[in-house]
Amino acid sequence: SQTIHQWPATLVQPVGSPLSLECTVEGTSNPNLYWYRQAAGRGLQLLFYSIGIDQISSEVPQNLSASRPQDRQFILSSKKLLLSDSGFYLCAWSRPGNQPQHFGDGTRLSIL
Amino acid sequence: SQQGEEDPQALSIQEGENATMNCSYKTSINNLQWYRQNSGRGLVHLILIRSNEREKHSGRLRVTLDTSKKSSSLLITASRAADTASYFCATDAVGQGGKLIFGQGTELSVKP
Repeated sequence: SQTIHQWPATLVQPVGSPLSLECTVEGTSNPNLYWYRQAAGRGLQLLFYSIGIDQISSEVPQNLSASRPQDRQFILSSKKLLLSDSGFYLCAWSRPGNQPQHFGDGTRLSIL
Repeated sequence: SQQGEEDPQALSIQEGENATMNCSYKTSINNLQWYRQNSGRGLVHLILIRSNEREKHSGRLRVTLDTSKKSSSLLITASRAADTASYFCATDAVGQGGKLIFGQGTELSVKP
């Protein structure tokens, strides 16, 4: 069966510090991968999605970036965090095509 | 603008009652999906209904889709306290490569 791992679960970072959130998927190959951000009490905002290695699309201009160094690994990064980067970050995967998405447990990021 | 909009934003019912949540969207879709999110956790896929389907059942869940009105509803029958969560609709719009656009969600509280 397929599983998705996302870490860390919580993170507190000072303004201006770098960020690296990691997501890995097991039990499937060539998944579509997604990063979302969720503000408190709100819906999900798609940040990045990837249909393959070196195929990453950015949905929202910001100081975040994403990379996919391996088929089942998706990393969300920032060189300098802003206060507005606080939120709940969710990674998800799906099979190619119009398929359901499967989510990790999320990372709660607080910027001080 | 946001593709999916949900109504109501919050719903409080007693155990055993039925809960109905509605979702409206703006463009043509391949499918519409419903997800559940427990507080502080990732989303869990509940049900996917394709644009050529009108109704779908899964256990105590019933989803309807009216493409002429661009709306969907999720009915949870005989609700339980464990159904307390936020529920999101997400649309897979035509021409968007499988990306999902999430609504703002309905927060359901089922009181024992």
